[in-house]
Amino acid sequence: DVKVTQSSRYLVKRTGEKVFLECVQDMDHENMFWYRQDPGLGLRLIYFSYDVKMKEKGDIPEGYSVSREKKERFSLILESASTNQTSMYLCASRTGQQNYGYTFGSGTRLTVV
Amino acid sequence: AQKITQTQPGMFVQEKEAVTLDCTYDTSDPSYGLFWYKQPSSGEMIFLIYQGSYDQQNATEGRYSLNFQKARKSANLVISASQLGDSAMYFCAMRDLNYGGSQGNLIFGKGTKLSVKP
Repeated sequence: DVKVTQSSRYLVKRTGEKVFLECVQDMDHENMFWYRQDPGLGLRLIYFSYDVKMKEKGDIPEGYSVSREKKERFSLILESASTNQTSMYLCASRTGQQNYGYTFGSGTRLTVV
Repeated sequence: AQKITQTQPGMFVQEKEAVTLDCTYDTSDPSYGLFWYKQPSSGEMIFLIYQGSYDQQNATEGRYSLNFQKARKSANLVISASQLGDSAMYFCAMRDLNYGGSQGNLIFGKGTKLSVKP
C-alpha cells in the first residue's frame, strides 16, 4: 500500500517561529499536496506540486511556502508562524492517473501560541 | 466556479441501519471524477469510493455505494448496515480538470459528521 508519512502528529510553536512540516511518500507519485483543515471550512488547498522543483499555489498560499527537492518529499514552510495558522495540516499524494484519488498522511495538528 | 456542497453538517443513524450522505456538485466540464473519503477521529483521510462522470453504473465497494444522478449533479454515499466504526467525518470531493493543472486537483465539501448509535 502507498504510504504517506507526516513527520509529526502534534506540534506546538511560538508566534514568529519558522516551522517546517515534512511529508514523505513511498510510491513514486508525481503529485503531492498540502491542505489545511479547519472546522466548518473543510479542506483547503495551500500548495501542490506535480514534479520535482515544481510548485503551484492553491487557494490559500499566503503565509506559506513549499519545497520539493526530491520526488518523495514535499515540505510545507511557515516562514513566520502566526496564531491564525493553528490548524490541522494534511499532506497527500497521487499518481497522474485520473481515476485515482489521493492518499493522505495522518495529519499534523499545529498549534501556534 | 467548481463547487461541492454537503448540506448535512451532522447525522445520526442507528447501528445496522442504512444511511445516505448527500453531496451535490457543480461543474461545466463533462469529464470529472467524484470521490468519498472517511476521516475518523484519528485524523487520517481514508478513500472509500470513486465514480467517473462517464461510468455507466453506480460505483460500489463493499457496504459503500454511490447513488450517482448525473442530471441532478448529485453523488450521494449510501452506507448499508451501519457499524459503530462508521462514526466519522465524511467528505465528498470532485476532481475537475479545469482546476489546478492539466490533471486536475480535488476540491472538497465541508463534510458530514456521522454518528452511529448502538
